[in-house]
Amino acid sequence: GAGVSQSPRYKVAKRGQDVALRCDPISGHVSLFWYQQALGQGPEFLTYFQNEAQLDKSGLPSDRFFAERPEGSVSTLKIQRTQQEDSAVYLCASSLAGTGARQPQHFGDGTRLSIL
Amino acid sequence: DAKTTQPPSMDCAEGRAANLPCNHSTISGNEYVYWYRQIHSQGPQYIIHGLKNNETNEMASLIITEDRKSSTLILPHATLRDTAVYYCIVRAGGVTDKLIFGTGTRLQVFP
Repeated sequence: GAGVSQSPRYKVAKRGQDVALRCDPISGHVSLFWYQQALGQGPEFLTYFQNEAQLDKSGLPSDRFFAERPEGSVSTLKIQRTQQEDSAVYLCASSLAGTGARQPQHFGDGTRLSIL
Repeated sequence: DAKTTQPPSMDCAEGRAANLPCNHSTISGNEYVYWYRQIHSQGPQYIIHGLKNNETNEMASLIITEDRKSSTLILPHATLRDTAVYYCIVRAGGVTDKLIFGTGTRLQVFP
């Protein structure tokens, strides 16, 4: 497809399990972002990649959160030892250029993570 | 923190223009105003952006005041499918160029 694709669409895990969320950005997009959206709130920034380089991870809430984009295309957000407060929608976005406020970010529909 | 202020909710009759205001009084000269919307269970959808001039595309028009401290998103003929949360975002670019969302305006279009 032409848009950002995220999988799985829904994920249910038990507290303490590890999870991996996948993002396929739009082909050719240099920049990739992960956001976390709690119920009733706007999305909050987690981390940013330019190609394979992770240039900003200031939004990751703890060291249990890890993201990678090894070949500068597909990205994976991993959460280790999940906690109930990790329950949220995780959104991925990509944009064409490396930086610059003229390039809009295009979002996937997210992965809804529920921790039991 | 978000640099914008929006009303929490608005209503609009189908077929009428929806005018969504946004205050961004601390905006800097190189910061763009972006609008996104989020329909239930979907990711945010890009609508339009501008720096200082008014902008129009197939979805909406963006009117930015001369002092750039506020803007209005106009949906000229609202439909039921325009019911969504609308986010106004001031975006500076820079190394990360991340979006900082506020709580947005929940627009309800009614028949």
